[in-house]
Amino acid sequence: EVQLVETGGGLVQPGRSLKLSCVASGFTFSSYWMYWIRQAPGKGLEWVSSINTDGGSTYYPDSVKGRFTISRDNAENTVYLQMNSLRSEDTATYYCAKEIFGVFYWGQGVMVTVSS
Amino acid sequence: DIVMTQSPSSLAVSAGETVTINCKSSQSLFGSVRQKNYLAWYQQKPGQSPKLLIYLASTRESGVPDRFIGSGSGTDFTLTISSVQAEDLANYYCQQYYDTPYTFGAGTKLELK
Repeated sequence: EVQLVETGGGLVQPGRSLKLSCVASGFTFSSYWMYWIRQAPGKGLEWVSSINTDGGSTYYPDSVKGRFTISRDNAENTVYLQMNSLRSEDTATYYCAKEIFGVFYWGQGVMVTVSS
Repeated sequence: DIVMTQSPSSLAVSAGETVTINCKSSQSLFGSVRQKNYLAWYQQKPGQSPKLLIYLASTRESGVPDRFIGSGSGTDFTLTISSVQAEDLANYYCQQYYDTPYTFGAGTKLELK
């Protein structure tokens, strides 16, 4: 059974940093692209970042480019999201997701609140 | 980026009714090589993460009840839920995976009348 467990969320002041982790189990982690997708309170789903199988290629939308960094450790079955220069509009539940042929299997999510 | 437009944004139903949720893409999601439409549907219940219901526009994920039916091709797609049950009350999202970045519709909230 696919399991994705996110940790690292919390309340952070604007301009500060936070690092999310997602530990995967139940599948061969190193064979899959991994994504972070977020959902602001009461809103829809927004792709935040993605990483290929060996971590050599990463992708971001303009809204987070230059501020967020995705990485992975295949030996530890973990994907990370380093978030710097956080803004109030980054407040959301962040989901780690396994991508297979374009569709997603999701973790339970972790809440990030950016507020002074 | 491909824009996904869902309608309606919310829908109030009674148990046992059949409901239809629409999803329109800004360009065709039909892949000529595999002759498939790259469109998925997800269900998100309150306080939970999204769950894959349907992929390739009409293929149900394992374990999904057969009252969930996906249809459509090209740019116009539909999720039909026949004989809605209380457990189906949730938000539903379509997602295209024809081209990156993969994009989602804004969602349809299914509520009890």
